[in-house]
Amino acid sequence: DVKVTQSSRYLVKRTGEKVFLECVQDMDHENMFWYRQDPGLGLRLIYFSYDVKMKEKGDIPEGYSVSREKKERFSLILESASTNQTSMYLCATGEGNQPQHFGDGTRLSIL
Amino acid sequence: DQQVKQNSPSLSVQEGRISILNCDYTNSMFDYFLWYKKYPAEGPTFLISISSIKDKNEDGRFTVFLNKSAKHLSLHIVPSQPGDSAVYFCAADSTGANSKLTFGKGITLSVRP
Repeated sequence: DVKVTQSSRYLVKRTGEKVFLECVQDMDHENMFWYRQDPGLGLRLIYFSYDVKMKEKGDIPEGYSVSREKKERFSLILESASTNQTSMYLCATGEGNQPQHFGDGTRLSIL
Repeated sequence: DQQVKQNSPSLSVQEGRISILNCDYTNSMFDYFLWYKKYPAEGPTFLISISSIKDKNEDGRFTVFLNKSAKHLSLHIVPSQPGDSAVYFCAADSTGANSKLTFGKGITLSVRP
C-alpha cells in the first residue's frame, strides 16, 4: 500500500509567519502534488512536481512555494502566512497516469 | 473558469436505494475520469475511474457511466449503505506522460438508515 505521510494533522500559526508543510511518500513515485480543500471550492492544485528539483505552478500558487530536494519529500512553504490561507492542505503522489494517492491532510489555521 | 462541475452540493438517499452522483466537464482534452471519496479528517481515496474509450466501468456496487457527446459522467452506487456517506469528488485528466487532475467541488452524500 502506498503511504503518504503529512507531518502534522493540525497546525496553528500566526499571520506573517513562514510555515512549512512536509509530505513524505514511500512508493518511489515520480509525481507529487499539493492541494488545498475549502468548503464549496473543492480541491485546488497549488504546486506539483514531476521530478526531483522540478516544480510547476498549479492553479493557485500565489503566496506559496515548494521544495523537492529528494524524491520522497515534497514541502509546501507559506512565505508569509495570511488568514486567507487557513485551509485543509492535502499532499498526493502518483506515477504516470495512475490514480493519485493522498495523505490525510493538514488542517492549518492562521490567526 | 470551472472545467469540472458538480452542480449539486448534496444528495440524500435511503439505505438500499440507488445514489446517482453527476459530473459535467467542459474541456474536450479530458480523456480519463476518476471518482474519489472523502471522509472528514481523512484524505480522498480513489474509488473508480473510466477512460474515454469506454462508456461504462463497474466495480462491485459502484458503476461510472460516461457520455462523451454530452461531456457528462455519473457515479451510481447500488445499493447505497450508510458507510457510503462522504464527500465525492469527480476529477478529470488528459492522459499523456504524467497526471494532473482537475477536480470538481464535490458532492456530500448522506445515506439514511
